[in-house]
Amino acid sequence: AQKITQTQPGMFVQEKEAVTLDCTYDTSDPSYGLFWYKQPSSGEMIFLIYQGSYDQQNATEGRYSLNFQKARKSANLVISASQLGDSAMYFCAMRDQGNTPLVFGKGTRLSVIA
Amino acid sequence: NAGVTQTPKFQVLKTGQSMTLQCAQDMNHNSMYWYRQDPGMGLRLIYYSASEGTTDKGEVPNGYNVSRLNKREFSLRLESAAPSQTSVYFCASTTSPSYEQYFGPGTRLTVT
Repeated sequence: AQKITQTQPGMFVQEKEAVTLDCTYDTSDPSYGLFWYKQPSSGEMIFLIYQGSYDQQNATEGRYSLNFQKARKSANLVISASQLGDSAMYFCAMRDQGNTPLVFGKGTRLSVIA
Repeated sequence: NAGVTQTPKFQVLKTGQSMTLQCAQDMNHNSMYWYRQDPGMGLRLIYYSASEGTTDKGEVPNGYNVSRLNKREFSLRLESAAPSQTSVYFCASTTSPSYEQYFGPGTRLTVT
């Protein structure tokens, strides 16, 4: 069975600094996908970035990048040049091969300090 | 293009009452999902529909039923609400599991 672990319940970062949010996963399938979502205080879920297990390069989307270390089964989210608007809950999620739903971690609350 | 819509946004029920949460998407997505979000628990899957005409249980299906009415609509029914079902409910859809899920705005349900 799939499992996602986010070990940091809360993180603080200074504005304009970079921050890494940790995510480890467990699956026995060779084909899987990893996702990161942001949930601001307004409550909506916003998709940030996706990494496929066979992708050769780490995914990047603007200030977001995914540090994918397959052997360590980790998929950490890196946010560069943090902004006050980055303060939110961040969820890591994965799906394995086939038509299976996403499994979410418990989330990390990021607070950006001016 | 409204994306994923959910009604109602807020609801208060008494224990034992029933209600249906509605979800609709206008993106021609095949798969639809219902999650609940509780503090410190992340999102947990209640039921999902991989395609029109199919539904499957997720991690926490007890106390809920679903109907995939057509490709656009996927409803979640609480037959006899319990305080343990107080939560925020999210509907989501995707064209394929390889792609991101699009989420509705959520329904905040309180059962007293």
